[in-house]
Amino acid sequence: EAGVTQFPSHSVIEKGQTVTLRCDPISGHDNLYWYRRVMGKEIKFLLHFVKESKQDESGMPNNRFLAERTGGTYSTLKVQPAELEDSGVYFCASSQIAGGRGTQYFGPGTRLLVL
Amino acid sequence: ELKVEQNPLFLSMQEGKNYTIYCNYSTTSDRLYWYRQDPGKSLESLFVLLSNGAVKQEGRLMASLDTKARLSTLHITAAVHDLSATYFCAVDANAGGTSYGKLTFGQGTILTVHP
Repeated sequence: EAGVTQFPSHSVIEKGQTVTLRCDPISGHDNLYWYRRVMGKEIKFLLHFVKESKQDESGMPNNRFLAERTGGTYSTLKVQPAELEDSGVYFCASSQIAGGRGTQYFGPGTRLLVL
Repeated sequence: ELKVEQNPLFLSMQEGKNYTIYCNYSTTSDRLYWYRQDPGKSLESLFVLLSNGAVKQEGRLMASLDTKARLSTLHITAAVHDLSATYFCAVDANAGGTSYGKLTFGQGTILTVHP
């Protein structure tokens, strides 16, 4: 069974540009999560989808971040315009059990560097 | 706001020795996870601890949960080089409510096992 995949693995952009990160969860997992680890800090929750609906987006830092999960399959996280402090590793995770109770399986992350 | 603190943050061990990583958290939760991350890789689920007094073991690793003390431990027995990695504990901030899945992570413990 394929795990959680993320694309791209690395992205280097200039301040002010737009970047879109993609996450493909494990097939059949209705729950999809985005997390971020900024250099030297903890891994922080961004948001939680259940199918195509946003269950909890309390961790989204500001309105420059837009997450979507059209059709309840893969998800995208767009940063527009990117700022220097957005640099970090963006992780996606998915879980199967309803209500988000199951173990979250993580992807390898996208390493974003904003110059 | 839920806070999760791990210690130590850096741990250098000799092969064959035992040690414990501690994870303290600040508010009530009965759902705690331990993850392992190798450099550049995804977070791998090690243990899920769901109740007070829960103890789980896998190979040289044993995890326990004391919800009254808000403390989890990850004990390493007779360390081997292959255990070198970063270990994270994560607490479900919404546990006990109607929605699970918002994980709050500790800072991570970087473990290096020397021959």
